[in-house]
Amino acid sequence: GENVEQHPSTLSVQEGDSAVIKCTYSDSASNYFPWYKQELGKGPQLIIDIRSNVGEKKDQRIAVTLNKTAKHFSLHITETQPEDSAVYFCAASNVWGYGGSQGNLIFGKGTKLSVKP
Amino acid sequence: DTAVSQTPKYLVTQMGNDKSIKCEQNLGHDTMYWYKQDSKKFLKIMFSYNNKELIINETVPNRFSPKSPDKAHLNLHINSLELGDSAVYFCASSKTGAEQYFGPGTRLTVT
Repeated sequence: GENVEQHPSTLSVQEGDSAVIKCTYSDSASNYFPWYKQELGKGPQLIIDIRSNVGEKKDQRIAVTLNKTAKHFSLHITETQPEDSAVYFCAASNVWGYGGSQGNLIFGKGTKLSVKP
Repeated sequence: DTAVSQTPKYLVTQMGNDKSIKCEQNLGHDTMYWYKQDSKKFLKIMFSYNNKELIINETVPNRFSPKSPDKAHLNLHINSLELGDSAVYFCASSKTGAEQYFGPGTRLTVT
């Protein structure tokens, strides 16, 4: 089955700096890669996602890149703000393929991002 | 309006009891999920369900069972609770199987 590795486990940056979180996946059948932000006491919130037919996607200060050959994808946050502090999770899924596990997200272990004012 | 809601938010119970967690989504989605988040924040899929198919993660004990009275609800029943069941349980829903929207979570504590 799919296995997702995420690094680093903790990341501390100064306000205004950039933050990068990296993930690798093992199953070449995975075709959908979302990123979630989880604030304390809340459920994970989808912040950006990318499909396997796209190499890069950007939404304001956040961007995600995907390298299918190397089986890794990354989250980039620019001009970080204190409200970006949270735990970020990457995930992988085989959404449009075949098999009983379609749509089941396999998560990385999370990165705790702290943005210092 | 809350898109995915869960009740209760906190659940404290003793070992051996049976409990249920309710989940409702008002997004009109076809597929619902249950995830477990352990004390180290690791999120793991337990079940996915649409009106055609229930997919169970093979590592989930059969003491856990999802029940769907209709497309907007997927409740989680847990029998004979054990200490190791203590965790935060999240319900999620999706229209396409891609974008999944999570509820606020239910923190279960088994004493």
